[in-house]
Amino acid sequence: EPEVTQTPSHQVTQMGQEVILRCVPISNHLYFYWYRQILGQKVEFLVSFYNNEISEKSEIFDDQFSVERPDGSNFTLKIRSTKLEDSAMYFCASSELDTQYFGPGTRLTVL
Amino acid sequence: GENVEQHPSTLSVQEGDSAVIKCTYSDSASNYFPWYKQELGKRPQLIIDIRSNVGEKKDQRIAVTLNKTAKHFSLHITETQPEDSAVYFCAAPSSPGAGSYQLTFGKGTKLSVIP
Repeated sequence: EPEVTQTPSHQVTQMGQEVILRCVPISNHLYFYWYRQILGQKVEFLVSFYNNEISEKSEIFDDQFSVERPDGSNFTLKIRSTKLEDSAMYFCASSELDTQYFGPGTRLTVL
Repeated sequence: GENVEQHPSTLSVQEGDSAVIKCTYSDSASNYFPWYKQELGKRPQLIIDIRSNVGEKKDQRIAVTLNKTAKHFSLHITETQPEDSAVYFCAAPSSPGAGSYQLTFGKGTKLSVIP
């Protein structure tokens, strides 16, 4: 069964550094999402992407964040200047329509 | 936007007993309600979902019920087993009808099944 994949599984970075989190959505899916989960808390929506553009974004998704689909398979989340409070698990998800499947996540630790 | 409330936050049951987790939502236009199971350090895994054109859906030991009038939906797990121990999240569309499908999640229920 196809699955969403993400790399890296764990990223450690210094405050102020840029990070890029990578995702490969399920191949026939049209909608892509990034969510984050701070340890012990609920999953929070960041951004959705459809037809090569952002369709919705939350208030968390400020100017420090950007997303890109650089080729036909990858979907990336970039954080330009990381802050301590960006430490969280970042999940990519994809869907044909409303049913979303999540990747295994990237644990981002900002020191 | 959508607001999803989930109860209880923790639930302990004896193996073999049933577990029920309840969620309410605020936007009457919402029409899709998934449930995810998340084991420690793992991805949220879709276990069952329901759409607003049905009131109940069942898959083996798991069932979901939906009451659109009251704007609540519930997850029922029967004959619980230790491997059911996990955090369960309900969700609803953040912007129903807007042509995008992002979800608003509840705060989660930590289910512990005691052998």
